[in-house]
Amino acid sequence: LAKTTQPISMDSYEGQEVNITCSHNNIATNDYITWYQQFPSQGPRFIIQGYKTKVTNEVASLFIPADRKSSTLSLPRVSLSDTAVYYCLVGEDTDKLIFGTGTRLQVFP
Amino acid sequence: KAGVTQTPRYLIKTRGQQVTLSCSPISGHRSVSWYQQTPGQGLQFLFEYFSETQRNKGNFPGRFSGRQFSNSRSEMNVSTLELGDSALYLCASSSHPPSGGLETQYFGPGTRLLVL
Repeated sequence: LAKTTQPISMDSYEGQEVNITCSHNNIATNDYITWYQQFPSQGPRFIIQGYKTKVTNEVASLFIPADRKSSTLSLPRVSLSDTAVYYCLVGEDTDKLIFGTGTRLQVFP
Repeated sequence: KAGVTQTPRYLIKTRGQQVTLSCSPISGHRSVSWYQQTPGQGLQFLFEYFSETQRNKGNFPGRFSGRQFSNSRSEMNVSTLELGDSALYLCASSSHPPSGGLETQYFGPGTRLLVL
Protein backbone atom coordinates (compact mmCIF):
# COMPACT_ATOMS: atom_id res chain seq x y z
CA LEU A 1 0.00 0.00 0.00
CA ALA A 2 1.14 3.50 -0.75
CA LYS A 3 2.22 5.65 2.14
CA THR A 4 0.40 8.74 0.92
CA THR A 5 -3.13 10.13 0.89
CA GLN A 6 -4.42 12.64 -1.66
CA PRO A 7 -7.82 14.01 -2.68
CA ILE A 8 -9.43 11.82 -5.30
CA SER A 9 -10.22 14.64 -7.70
CA MET A 10 -10.06 18.37 -8.24
CA ASP A 11 -11.57 20.73 -10.77
CA SER A 12 -10.12 24.00 -11.98
CA TYR A 13 -10.37 26.50 -14.80
CA GLU A 14 -7.70 27.57 -17.21
CA GLY A 15 -5.41 30.24 -15.88
CA GLN A 16 -6.01 29.43 -12.23
CA GLU A 17 -3.45 28.22 -9.75
CA VAL A 18 -4.02 24.67 -8.50
CA ASN A 19 -2.74 23.34 -5.19
CA ILE A 20 -2.83 19.61 -4.53
CA THR A 21 -2.03 18.48 -1.01
CA CYS A 22 -0.62 15.10 -0.09
CA SER A 23 -0.52 13.61 3.42
CA HIS A 24 2.37 11.39 4.42
CA ASN A 25 2.19 11.11 8.20
CA ASN A 26 4.69 8.27 8.41
CA ILE A 27 7.40 9.81 6.28
CA ALA A 28 10.87 8.64 7.31
CA THR A 29 13.76 10.96 8.04
CA ASN A 30 15.57 10.13 4.79
CA ASP A 31 12.50 10.04 2.53
CA TYR A 32 12.19 12.43 -0.37
CA ILE A 33 8.83 13.52 -1.75
CA THR A 34 8.26 13.09 -5.46
CA TRP A 35 5.35 14.06 -7.68
CA TYR A 36 4.49 12.48 -11.00
CA GLN A 37 1.93 13.36 -13.65
CA GLN A 38 0.26 10.71 -15.76
CA PHE A 39 -1.95 10.93 -18.83
CA PRO A 40 -4.09 7.98 -19.94
CA SER A 41 -2.12 5.19 -21.62
CA GLN A 42 1.19 6.93 -21.01
CA GLY A 43 3.97 6.41 -18.54
CA PRO A 44 4.33 8.69 -15.52
CA ARG A 45 6.21 11.92 -16.02
CA PHE A 46 8.37 13.34 -13.24
CA ILE A 47 7.25 16.79 -12.11
CA ILE A 48 9.19 17.75 -9.01
CA GLN A 49 10.98 16.38 -5.99
CA GLY A 50 11.85 17.87 -2.64
CA TYR A 51 12.96 17.16 0.91
CA LYS A 52 11.98 20.25 2.88
CA THR A 53 10.79 23.85 2.60
CA LYS A 54 10.18 24.89 -0.99
CA VAL A 55 11.33 23.66 -4.38
CA THR A 56 10.49 25.35 -7.65
CA ASN A 57 11.14 24.40 -11.25
CA GLU A 58 9.79 25.53 -14.60
CA VAL A 59 6.67 23.43 -14.19
CA ALA A 60 5.59 23.58 -10.55
CA SER A 61 6.42 24.42 -6.96
CA LEU A 62 6.50 22.05 -4.03
CA PHE A 63 5.86 23.29 -0.52
CA ILE A 64 6.87 21.13 2.43
CA PRO A 65 6.18 22.26 6.01
CA ALA A 66 8.72 21.77 8.77
CA ASP A 67 7.15 18.55 10.08
CA ARG A 68 7.17 17.08 6.54
CA LYS A 69 3.92 15.21 7.21
CA SER A 70 2.34 16.75 4.16
CA SER A 71 3.33 18.49 0.95
CA THR A 72 1.56 20.70 -1.57
CA LEU A 73 2.11 20.66 -5.30
CA SER A 74 1.35 24.04 -6.82
CA LEU A 75 0.64 24.37 -10.54
CA PRO A 76 0.57 28.01 -11.64
CA ARG A 77 -1.89 29.09 -14.34
CA VAL A 78 -3.10 25.66 -15.42
CA SER A 79 -4.15 24.93 -18.98
CA LEU A 80 -6.33 22.23 -20.50
CA SER A 81 -3.24 20.13 -21.11
CA ASP A 82 -2.65 19.89 -17.36
CA THR A 83 -5.68 17.63 -17.07
CA ALA A 84 -4.14 14.43 -15.75
CA VAL A 85 -3.69 12.32 -12.65
CA TYR A 86 -1.09 13.56 -10.18
CA TYR A 87 0.67 11.19 -7.83
CA CYS A 88 2.62 11.92 -4.70
CA LEU A 89 5.20 9.36 -3.58
CA VAL A 90 7.59 9.21 -0.68
CA GLY A 91 10.73 7.22 -0.05
CA GLU A 92 10.81 3.64 -1.14
CA ASP A 93 7.44 3.91 -2.86
CA THR A 94 9.23 6.06 -5.42
CA ASP A 95 11.71 3.31 -6.18
CA LYS A 96 9.05 0.92 -7.41
CA LEU A 97 6.48 3.57 -8.23
CA ILE A 98 3.91 2.33 -5.76
CA PHE A 99 1.22 4.80 -6.60
CA GLY A 100 -1.70 5.60 -4.39
CA THR A 101 -5.01 6.64 -5.90
CA GLY A 102 -3.59 9.95 -7.08
CA THR A 103 -5.53 13.14 -7.68
CA ARG A 104 -7.44 13.44 -10.93
CA LEU A 105 -7.23 17.08 -11.99
CA GLN A 106 -9.78 18.28 -14.52
CA VAL A 107 -9.15 21.68 -16.07
CA PHE A 108 -12.10 23.39 -17.75
CA PRO A 109 -11.95 26.15 -20.36
CA LYS B 1 20.22 14.85 -24.19
CA ALA B 2 18.06 12.16 -25.78
CA GLY B 3 15.41 10.58 -23.61
CA VAL B 4 14.64 6.96 -22.92
CA THR B 5 13.85 5.06 -26.09
CA GLN B 6 11.93 1.84 -26.41
CA THR B 7 11.51 -0.45 -29.37
CA PRO B 8 9.27 -1.54 -30.85
CA ARG B 9 6.49 0.88 -30.01
CA TYR B 10 3.73 -1.53 -30.96
CA LEU B 11 3.65 -5.28 -31.19
CA ILE B 12 1.02 -7.91 -31.91
CA LYS B 13 1.69 -11.50 -30.95
CA THR B 14 -0.34 -14.66 -30.48
CA ARG B 15 -0.67 -16.82 -27.42
CA GLY B 16 2.28 -19.10 -26.82
CA GLN B 17 4.77 -16.92 -28.65
CA GLN B 18 7.59 -15.08 -27.01
CA VAL B 19 8.57 -11.45 -27.28
CA THR B 20 11.63 -9.33 -26.60
CA LEU B 21 11.38 -5.64 -25.85
CA SER B 22 14.30 -3.24 -25.85
CA CYS B 23 15.08 -0.14 -23.83
CA SER B 24 17.90 2.37 -24.25
CA PRO B 25 18.32 4.57 -21.19
CA ILE B 26 19.28 8.20 -21.11
CA SER B 27 22.99 8.57 -21.82
CA GLY B 28 24.94 8.16 -18.59
CA HIS B 29 22.11 6.42 -16.76
CA ARG B 30 23.05 3.00 -15.49
CA SER B 31 19.84 1.91 -13.79
CA VAL B 32 16.90 0.59 -15.79
CA SER B 33 13.53 -0.47 -14.41
CA TRP B 34 10.65 -2.14 -16.20
CA TYR B 35 6.94 -1.75 -15.48
CA GLN B 36 3.74 -3.23 -16.83
CA GLN B 37 0.72 -0.98 -17.09
CA THR B 38 -2.80 -2.25 -17.61
CA PRO B 39 -6.14 -0.48 -17.11
CA GLY B 40 -7.16 -2.91 -14.40
CA GLN B 41 -3.94 -3.25 -12.42
CA GLY B 42 -2.34 0.11 -13.02
CA LEU B 43 1.44 0.38 -12.98
CA GLN B 44 3.26 -2.68 -11.67
CA PHE B 45 6.97 -3.05 -11.09
CA LEU B 46 8.65 -5.87 -13.01
CA PHE B 47 12.38 -5.61 -12.28
CA GLU B 48 15.30 -3.25 -11.94
CA TYR B 49 18.84 -3.56 -13.29
CA PHE B 50 22.02 -1.75 -12.43
CA SER B 51 25.42 -2.49 -13.91
CA GLU B 52 24.13 -5.62 -15.63
CA THR B 53 22.78 -7.05 -12.35
CA GLN B 54 19.16 -7.52 -11.42
CA ARG B 55 18.72 -5.77 -8.08
CA ASN B 56 14.99 -6.01 -7.55
CA LYS B 57 12.18 -8.11 -8.94
CA GLY B 58 8.46 -7.64 -8.74
CA ASN B 59 5.77 -10.24 -8.31
CA PHE B 60 5.63 -11.66 -11.82
CA PRO B 61 5.97 -15.26 -13.04
CA GLY B 62 9.23 -16.61 -14.37
CA ARG B 63 7.98 -16.14 -17.93
CA PHE B 64 9.06 -12.55 -17.50
CA SER B 65 12.80 -12.08 -17.60
CA GLY B 66 15.26 -9.37 -18.41
CA ARG B 67 18.86 -8.48 -18.79
CA GLN B 68 21.10 -5.47 -19.05
CA PHE B 69 24.11 -5.05 -21.27
CA SER B 70 27.40 -3.35 -20.57
CA ASN B 71 26.22 -0.22 -22.38
CA SER B 72 23.23 -0.09 -19.96
CA ARG B 73 20.72 -1.00 -22.66
CA SER B 74 18.18 -3.46 -21.37
CA GLU B 75 15.88 -6.06 -22.79
CA MET B 76 12.92 -7.83 -21.30
CA ASN B 77 11.56 -11.11 -22.56
CA VAL B 78 8.18 -12.68 -22.07
CA SER B 79 7.88 -16.32 -23.03
CA THR B 80 4.74 -18.34 -23.66
CA LEU B 81 2.58 -15.26 -24.02
CA GLU B 82 -0.88 -15.21 -22.48
CA LEU B 83 -3.82 -12.97 -23.32
CA GLY B 84 -3.37 -11.25 -19.97
CA ASP B 85 0.11 -10.10 -20.96
CA SER B 86 -1.45 -7.49 -23.23
CA ALA B 87 -0.29 -4.22 -21.72
CA LEU B 88 1.86 -1.15 -22.06
CA TYR B 89 5.41 -2.04 -21.03
CA LEU B 90 7.35 0.91 -19.73
CA CYS B 91 11.03 1.31 -19.17
CA ALA B 92 12.50 3.94 -16.87
CA SER B 93 16.09 4.96 -16.32
CA SER B 94 17.95 6.76 -13.59
CA SER B 95 21.58 7.56 -13.06
CA HIS B 96 21.81 5.40 -9.96
CA PRO B 97 19.58 2.71 -8.51
CA PRO B 98 16.40 4.07 -6.99
CA SER B 99 17.07 4.48 -3.29
CA GLY B 100 14.59 5.99 -0.90
CA GLY B 101 13.13 8.06 -3.65
CA LEU B 102 16.25 10.06 -4.26
CA GLU B 103 16.82 8.97 -7.82
CA THR B 104 14.30 10.30 -10.28
CA GLN B 105 13.17 7.82 -12.89
CA TYR B 106 12.56 9.00 -16.43
CA PHE B 107 10.19 7.02 -18.57
CA GLY B 108 10.25 6.00 -22.18
CA PRO B 109 7.14 6.06 -24.40
CA GLY B 110 6.47 2.38 -23.80
CA THR B 111 5.84 -0.65 -25.97
CA ARG B 112 2.21 -1.54 -26.42
CA LEU B 113 1.89 -5.31 -26.66
CA LEU B 114 -1.29 -6.98 -27.84
CA VAL B 115 -1.59 -10.73 -27.44
CA LEU B 116 -4.27 -12.39 -29.55
